[in-house]
Amino acid sequence: GENVEQHPSTLSVQEGDSAVIKCTYSDSASNYFPWYKQELGKRPQLIIDIRSNVGEKKDQRIAVTLNKTAKHFSLHITETQPEDSAVYFCAASIVNSGYALNFGKGTSLLVTP
Amino acid sequence: SQTIHQWPATLVQPVGSPLSLECTVEGTSNPNLYWYRQAAGRGLQLLFYSVGIGQISSEVPQNLSASRPQDRQFILSSKKLLLSDSGFYLCAWLDRGNTEAFFGQGTRLTVV
Repeated sequence: GENVEQHPSTLSVQEGDSAVIKCTYSDSASNYFPWYKQELGKRPQLIIDIRSNVGEKKDQRIAVTLNKTAKHFSLHITETQPEDSAVYFCAASIVNSGYALNFGKGTSLLVTP
Repeated sequence: SQTIHQWPATLVQPVGSPLSLECTVEGTSNPNLYWYRQAAGRGLQLLFYSVGIGQISSEVPQNLSASRPQDRQFILSSKKLLLSDSGFYLCAWLDRGNTEAFFGQGTRLTVV
């Protein structure tokens, strides 16, 4: 099945700096790559996603890039703020498993003032 | 609009007791439904998914089972809980017209 690796597991940055989280996937048939943000004790919420026919997508301070050849995708957060502190999960869709999302293990991001 | 309901929010159960967690979706028909488990400080592990009534696929062998008695109802069960079943259980649905998955509020299960 699909295997999604995510790095780093923890990331600490100062307010205003950029944060980058990277993921790789194994199933070349995957074609949908979302990023979820999970605050402590709450449900994951979608923050941005990208499909395989696009190389980059941006939404204000958040951007995602996809390299299908290398099978990796990254989340970029610019001008980080303390409220960006949370756990971030990347995921890839498994085409042959009911389109279920296979998640990475998460990155705990801490933005210090 | 579509909404997903999951209950209970928290649950403390003794080892060996049964479990039933329920998830229902409103405002859509024939959704794909999923159960995920998140151990403390860990990622989201896919447990079961369902593409239709009575159709259940399991991703990992375990002490749990799932059922889908109605189109918009997904139930996670166990006959005898183990300590290792503790975790945060999340139900999710996916509209086949889209690929975005929406999560329920989650159930924090503690087996004691």
